[in-house]
Amino acid sequence: AQSVTQLDSQVPVFEEAPVELRCNYSSSVSVYLFWYVQYPNQGLQLLLKYLSGSTLVKGINGFEAEFNKSQTSFHLRKPSVHISDTAEYFCAVSKGSQGNLIFGKGTKLSVKP
Amino acid sequence: DSGVTQTPKHLITATGQRVTLRCSPRSGDLSVYWYQQSLDQGLQFLIQYYNGEERAKGNILERFSAQQFPDLHSELNLSSLELGNSALYFCASSPMRTTPTNTEAFFGQGTRLTVV
Repeated sequence: AQSVTQLDSQVPVFEEAPVELRCNYSSSVSVYLFWYVQYPNQGLQLLLKYLSGSTLVKGINGFEAEFNKSQTSFHLRKPSVHISDTAEYFCAVSKGSQGNLIFGKGTKLSVKP
Repeated sequence: DSGVTQTPKHLITATGQRVTLRCSPRSGDLSVYWYQQSLDQGLQFLIQYYNGEERAKGNILERFSAQQFPDLHSELNLSSLELGNSALYFCASSPMRTTPTNTEAFFGQGTRLTVV
């Protein structure tokens, strides 16, 4: 069975500082990996996805993530955060033949001025 | 705007009651997924429909059911509601069932269900 672990439930950071949100997954088969963002009182919006190819994936809003197969990780990074990045971030996996997503518990990113 | 529409946005109902949540997928999307988001369980996949047929089932209670209609909109029916069923219910849609590049799911804004 697949599972996703987001190691930090909350990450406080100052504006313009770099941030890394950690995600580890477990699966016995190849998976596709996603990061979604949820702003307060909103639905989930896709930040980026890894399907195959280059292990460094760039997404929207300046975010990027690196797929590391040996460490089964897919950490999300941003070199300089803004107040507007304050939100909850979800890492998710899906198997290639199925579209449904298995989500981590989420990481609340709080950007302070 | 993701293009996925969910109604109603908020719903308050009493224990033991039955409610129906509605989802209109993005134009052209054949797959509809339902997810439940609660504080204790997080985001959990409930069920998927593809072009009118049930495709995959997750942690969906027997008291809950869903269907997808010929016009591709979907409804999630929740019956014999309990306090613990209070949650945010999301619908998502994607174009195709199995094409890897189309596994991206677009989420609606959710229906917040409160059972009192």
